[in-house]
Amino acid sequence: SQTIHQWPATLVQPVGSPLSLECTVEGTSNPNLYWYRQAAGRGLQLLFYSVGIGQISSEVPQNLSASRPQDRQFILSSKKLLLSDSGFYLCASRTFKNTEAFFGQGTRLTVV
Amino acid sequence: GDSVTQMEGPVTLSEEAFLTINCTYTATGYPSLFWYVQYPGEGLQLLLKATKADDKGSNKGFEATYRKETTSFHLEKGSVQVSDSAVYFCALRATGGFKTIFGAGTRLFVKA
Repeated sequence: SQTIHQWPATLVQPVGSPLSLECTVEGTSNPNLYWYRQAAGRGLQLLFYSVGIGQISSEVPQNLSASRPQDRQFILSSKKLLLSDSGFYLCASRTFKNTEAFFGQGTRLTVV
Repeated sequence: GDSVTQMEGPVTLSEEAFLTINCTYTATGYPSLFWYVQYPGEGLQLLLKATKADDKGSNKGFEATYRKETTSFHLEKGSVQVSDSAVYFCALRATGGFKTIFGAGTRLFVKA
């Protein structure tokens, strides 16, 4: 089965600083990849998804961007963080032979 | 668009009590339906799934039945344990769709 690696697990960043969160997938190829954000006590908001290298779809306009430089690598970035970017960021992967998505352990980002 | 509505929490139960968490959905066609569980500080894990009407998903004593006529996928467990304390998310993915749509989540507390 798929294994999703995310790092770092926890991050505290000042307002205005850049961000790079990385997600890599093991155990499969050609996955669909997803970035979700979970605000404190809230549900999951889909931020970006990708169906292939270099292909990114954005779900909501925001201060973040995503890139997929390799088949099993998905990166979430920002040039200048805002306080409202704080949250729990989850990477997920799904292939066509699975109906369900698999999730990483998440990165808790606190912007101060 | 597709959406998932689940009962608001938190839900507080005593150990060995019966659990029901309601979930209804809006989608065209026959989506796949899922329940995910999130333990504190972790990512989401698939708890169970159902891919067609009248299917029953089950795992670890939890069950949910895909009811097309009522567009529902309620989660049940006959006897909860303290270790079941977590946040539970109902979700759907349209047939052939790329995105998994999540409900807002329901936090469950089980007291000893």
